[in-house]
Amino acid sequence: EVQLVESGGGLVQPGGSLRLSCAASGFTFSSYAMSWVRQAPGKGLEWVSVISGSGGNTYYADSVKGRFTISRDNSKNTLYLQMNSLRAEDTAVYYCAKWDSGYYCMDVWGKGTTVTVSS
Amino acid sequence: EIVLTQSPATLSLSPGERATLSCRASQSVSSYLAWYQQTPGQAPRLLIYDASNRATGIPARFSGSGSGTDFTLTISSLEPEDFAVYYCQQRSNWPPVITFGQGTRLEIK
Repeated sequence: EVQLVESGGGLVQPGGSLRLSCAASGFTFSSYAMSWVRQAPGKGLEWVSVISGSGGNTYYADSVKGRFTISRDNSKNTLYLQMNSLRAEDTAVYYCAKWDSGYYCMDVWGKGTTVTVSS
Repeated sequence: EIVLTQSPATLSLSPGERATLSCRASQSVSSYLAWYQQTPGQAPRLLIYDASNRATGIPARFSGSGSGTDFTLTISSLEPEDFAVYYCQQRSNWPPVITFGQGTRLEIK
C-alpha cells in the first residue's frame, strides 16, 4: 500500500524553526518528485514546494522562498521541509504529496501535520 | 503566474441531483488540470487528472471536461459522501509553480 506519513509539527514561536518529515512507503521513492502543500485554518490549499526524484531540482512558492528548504533522503525514503524564520501566517496543516510528473498532479497525500506559530 | 478561479464559491444541492463545478484559468494550461476532493478533517484526494481522467478508485459519477482555460467537474448524481470542498490545480512551466483554485464548497440543500 502506498503511504505517506508526516511528522514534526508543533507549536513554535515567531522567528523560530521547525523541520517536518514525511516517511514514504509502498512505492519506489527515488523515482518520484514530492511536494509539500499547506492549508491554513479555514482556508484553501496552498502549494509550498516541490523537489525532483533525485533532489537536484527544487521549486518554492514566493511566500516561503528564502525561508523554507525542501530536501529528501532517498536511502531513508523520507522527505523533509526545513522551515526557518517562521511567521504567524505559516500556521497551517502541512501535507506531503507524491507528484505525478507526467500528469502534473498529486496522486497520493499524507494525513498532514499541524504547525502553529504563536508566542 | 496563472490564476485559477473556481465558481460558484458554494453550491447547494440535494442528493441525487447533478452538480457542475467550474474552474477557469487566467491563461491556457492545455489539459494539465486536476481536481481534488476534501472532506472535513481529511487530506485532499485526487479525483481527476489531465482534465478528464478519473484517478484510481474514483466512481464513474465523477467526470471532468475542458481544455485551455475552461474546465468543468461534473457529479452526475450526488451521493451523501460527495458533499465536500473541491479544488482544481494546475502546474505552469514558467515560473515553475503549482497553483490551486480557491475551492468550491458543495453543501446539502
